[in-house]
Amino acid sequence: DTEVTQTPKHLVMGMTNKKSLKCEQHMGHRAMYWYKQKAKKPPELMFVYSYEKLSINESVPSRFSPECPNSSLLNLHLHALQPEDSALYLCASSQQQGGNTGELFFGEGSRLTVL
Amino acid sequence: GENVEQHPSTLSVQEGDSAVIKCTYSDSASNYFPWYKQELGKRPQLIIDIRSNVGEKKDQRIAVTLNKTAKHFSLHITETQPEDSAVYFCAASRAGANNLFFGTGTRLTVIP
Repeated sequence: DTEVTQTPKHLVMGMTNKKSLKCEQHMGHRAMYWYKQKAKKPPELMFVYSYEKLSINESVPSRFSPECPNSSLLNLHLHALQPEDSALYLCASSQQQGGNTGELFFGEGSRLTVL
Repeated sequence: GENVEQHPSTLSVQEGDSAVIKCTYSDSASNYFPWYKQELGKRPQLIIDIRSNVGEKKDQRIAVTLNKTAKHFSLHITETQPEDSAVYFCAASRAGANNLFFGTGTRLTVIP
């Protein structure tokens, strides 16, 4: 199984809503990532979890709250978002290779629209 | 974080011709340089990668070269086919870190 599964595929939410994006992988990868991708732009790193611990937070606003309940799951909790947060949110995972990045396996993404 | 610049932003080639995409990076501690292909509406997928201990790597029609001194690396696609049409992203990662920073992307169009 080389799949990273993300749910939901599409999400529409108001600025006062609380919602969550979910990501799951069963490849035994110990590094998991959240990226944000706007149209015609590259993926932008948000968070990295390594062995279920948050290792990188790229100065992401607190309205985005990541969570890694176990080695297979990664969540992104959303609260009080702004319309400019509308984007494709990509989850990825990779093997740990002595702390160095290996191939990232991406999910299909969750397309978020904030009204 | 790392700053990765990529050129050109768009590239059109005739089927069968070669395509070259170039990237530069800023962090001399970066040691891993992958290339991802993203087709319209799809996820990015790794097509080739190179680590800083080698200067060139080839996989069938795709090759990547790395110049550590100049801090630049390039993707070469030979005998292009229409299915090569996609957005290509270079990326760089620092040694000992689980980060991966992407370049701005190149939209490649292969004209049949």
